[in-house]
Amino acid sequence: QKEVEQNSGPLSVPEGAIASLNCTYSDRGSQSFFWYRQYSGKSPELIMSIYSNGDKEDGRFTAQLNKASQYVSLLIRDSQPSDSATYLCAVLERADGLTFGKGTHLIIQP
Amino acid sequence: DTGVSQNPRHKITKRGQNVTFRCDPISEHNRLYWYRQTLGQGPEFLTYFQNEAQLEKSRLLSDRFSAERPKGSFSTLEIQRTEQGDSAMYLCASSQPRGRSSYEQYFGPGTRLTVT
Repeated sequence: QKEVEQNSGPLSVPEGAIASLNCTYSDRGSQSFFWYRQYSGKSPELIMSIYSNGDKEDGRFTAQLNKASQYVSLLIRDSQPSDSATYLCAVLERADGLTFGKGTHLIIQP
Repeated sequence: DTGVSQNPRHKITKRGQNVTFRCDPISEHNRLYWYRQTLGQGPEFLTYFQNEAQLEKSRLLSDRFSAERPKGSFSTLEIQRTEQGDSAMYLCASSQPRGRSSYEQYFGPGTRLTVT
């Protein structure tokens, strides 16, 4: 049974600070890792993908992957109120269906 | 490049009725996925197509659920004899065929089903 664990939050971060979101996964065969952002009542929006150990940066977002520890994280720098959403971690073993965590509810306080 | 589209966006039905949802993927994407999401949960994988072939089905996809992608373009998901437990957001996603980014899945707006 593949599992993806996230702290459901809410995680409250002051505007302009760094938000740090974490995720662990159970399946060592997982090869691809994704972060999605989901606003209330909307569908998930892909914001980052990462496939190799280390860091990947895209604008204000940095994804970090440590396969040995089975750990993925997302850092959001200079957090804005518009970043307030639920962030979903998802993992993929092969070219099939994603396994999602329950998501972390992030609140950016103005 | 238009995104994934889904119709209808909302569906209210009575228990026992059949419903059908449609998904149109991004035009060059040959992989199409169906997920279901309930409140407070992440999306759960239901089934996956590569072109017209249905390659994988989750245990969540009971006999009352059937999905098709007859010409390898749009897909339909049918739920027969709906139950109140089927109430959820049904999400469709697609992915492109080449390179590492072929694993990135892009979601449509979803169809919200309410079974009364």
